Amino acid sequence: VQLEESGGGLVQPGGSLRLSCAASGFSFSYYWMAWVRQAPGKGLEWVANIDQDGSEKYYVDSVQGRFTISRDNAKNSLYLQMNSLRAEDTAVYYCARHIVTTLLLDSWFDPWGQGTLVTVSS
Amino acid sequence: SYELTQPPSVSVSPGQTASITCSGDELGDKYTCWFQQKPGQSPLLVIYQDSKRPSGIPERFSGSNSGNTATLTISGTQAMDEADYFCQAWDSTTAIFGTGTKVTVL
Repeated sequence: VQLEESGGGLVQPGGSLRLSCAASGFSFSYYWMAWVRQAPGKGLEWVANIDQDGSEKYYVDSVQGRFTISRDNAKNSLYLQMNSLRAEDTAVYYCARHIVTTLLLDSWFDPWGQGTLVTVSS
Repeated sequence: SYELTQPPSVSVSPGQTASITCSGDELGDKYTCWFQQKPGQSPLLVIYQDSKRPSGIPERFSGSNSGNTATLTISGTQAMDEADYFCQAWDSTTAIFGTGTKVTVL
């Protein structure tokens, strides 16, 4: 199982960026997927997750309306479109396979990609 | 909003037992998992569903969850276990991570 993020970089406040996550080694279309971020020197913060066919999506309040999670099962890829970026969005963004049993309450993230750094600064 | 609180740091001598707590309101009614993160690396799942170990995780890692506290226990701690550890649970459809604990093996 491998997850490889790309698309990070330096962007000005108010700008946009699209992150990608290429998955391999497992049946991508069978799994929920998620984005989790980590600000420099800080803890982990869940950002968003998406179900197998993209019909169910959830976001942390701080990105609701600005970020959009999506997936392309034909390309085994996960995406995060980030608009109206703020300085507080600066973080390493990790892609993770989200293993869900029957309910989200009984689920976990495994494995994680190596992450891609997003820096929002003028 | 729901919060999970961990001690900032735990120190342990090699071969001894390290216990890392994660506190949250009625946490015992939720499933908790634990992640290990070494410097410059991505998080690694070490415990899920309170007490289960993924394939490849050493038996010295164990977990429990009751009341308001989940605990990750590392028995016979090794130098390679020095890392940050984060607990995680769900509050409805929101994933909540703990504040993180730095484990130092002295």
